[in-house]
Amino acid sequence: SQQGEEDPQALSIQEGENATMNCSYKTSINNLQWYRQNSGRGLVHLILIRSNEREKHSGRLRVTLDTSKKSSSLLITASRAADTASYFCATSPSGYKYIFGTGTRLKVLA
Amino acid sequence: EAGVAQSPRYKIIEKRQSVAFWCNPISGHATLYWYQQILGQGPKLLIQFQNNGVVDDSQLPKDRFSAERLKGVDSTLKIQPAKLEDSAVYLCASRSPGRVDYGYTFGSGTRLTVV
Repeated sequence: SQQGEEDPQALSIQEGENATMNCSYKTSINNLQWYRQNSGRGLVHLILIRSNEREKHSGRLRVTLDTSKKSSSLLITASRAADTASYFCATSPSGYKYIFGTGTRLKVLA
Repeated sequence: EAGVAQSPRYKIIEKRQSVAFWCNPISGHATLYWYQQILGQGPKLLIQFQNNGVVDDSQLPKDRFSAERLKGVDSTLKIQPAKLEDSAVYLCASRSPGRVDYGYTFGSGTRLTVV
C-alpha cells in the first residue's frame, strides 16, 4: 500500500521558476526522504528530514515537514531543464523500512 | 564509490516463463532491497535483506517470486512463472547502516516486459 501521496501528480513550469511539490502521509514517521528519478533510471536520494526537524536545505532544495499535518513539501528554486524528472517522497515509521509515494512528474521548459 | 549494479538492463519474456535478475550492491552495504515499480507508480518494496538474512518479505508474492542473497553480497530475484502483471522495473537498492542520512543508493533497474 502507498503511504505517501504526492501532489500535484504533474507539474510543468518555465526554467528559472520555482517548483513546489507536496507529500502527505498517513501514519507517524521517524523520518522522510525525497528522491528524484530521471526517465528510465533508478532513484537518486536528494534529502532526508527527521521527524524532529521542520526545515532542511540542500543547494537549491528546501524541504519542510509538518508532522501535525502529516505533510512535507519540496521546493526547487530557480529550476533548470535538468530538473525534469519524477520526484518521490518516502516515509518510514521506524527509519528502517521506507514506503514510497506515487510521485510528482516535473517538467521544466527551457 | 561504485554504484549498485543490476543486470540485465532489459528483459522480454512470455507469460509462464521464468526470469532472474541480479544485483551487486555497494561494497560494505549490509542492507539490500528489491523494489517493484509499475509504470506510473512509486516503487513498492518486495524484500529486504540484512547481510544474507531476510528482514521483511511481507509483500513478496511467494508463490512465484523468490530472492536470495548468498554470502551477504550479491542478490538474485527470480520470478517463476511470470504473469502479465509482473511487467515493471525491478530496482535494487542498498544502504550502509551507519549512513542513514544518505538514504538508499539505487541501481538503474531491470525493465521486465511480459508478453
